Amino acid sequence: DTGVSQDPRHKITKRGQNVTFRCDPISEHNRLYWYRQTLGQGPEFLTYFQNEAQLEKSRLLSDRFSAERPKGSFSTLEIQRTEQGDSAMYLCASSSREIPYEQYFGPGTRLTVT
Amino acid sequence: AQTVTQSQPEMSVQEAETVTLSCTYDTSESDYYLFWYKQPPSRQMILVIRQEAYKQQNATENRFSVNFQKAAKSFSLKISDSQLGDAAMYFCACDTGTASKLTFGTGTRLQVTL
Repeated sequence: DTGVSQDPRHKITKRGQNVTFRCDPISEHNRLYWYRQTLGQGPEFLTYFQNEAQLEKSRLLSDRFSAERPKGSFSTLEIQRTEQGDSAMYLCASSSREIPYEQYFGPGTRLTVT
Repeated sequence: AQTVTQSQPEMSVQEAETVTLSCTYDTSESDYYLFWYKQPPSRQMILVIRQEAYKQQNATENRFSVNFQKAAKSFSLKISDSQLGDAAMYFCACDTGTASKLTFGTGTRLQVTL
């Protein structure tokens, strides 16, 4: 079991550019979650998937944000027309069918928008 | 909606001593789960301990234990025999029984001194 992985670990982009992050959950975990963490704060929920279905989205997830999990395995989070306020750590987590409330986190992708 | 409050931004403990981190929460749900996560500097979030709200017995994991006071909506973490490796940000979190998302507190930074 290799744990949750995220790619890239760091991303620096200019304002207005689009970025895409990838998350690979623990094998056979059917739930996948995205959170955003800004400096000095706890993670805030963005969205979650059960298999390939996106079941809940936070109001934090503006129209510029889109997430997919096309085959119920890995997921991508895309941010279009990035803004400086998007600078944050983006965390992915997954949980199993057997213990759905126990989430395991990846190392995160740190986004810096200049 | 649920809220999680951690009123101690920073705590310090000497190696081998015991420290208690505080957390209060609010939820209208009757079925929920409470968690403590550890986030070492520049490293990923690790689940320390969980408590099911329907269980009266306090959870224990080796040197980590909780004091769950359901009526007071309090969920504190006790770390016994503190070690240098315990130094990290500690986040308290709550998940309703739907296992759809975690709500985190703002965290407590724990320093461990020699």
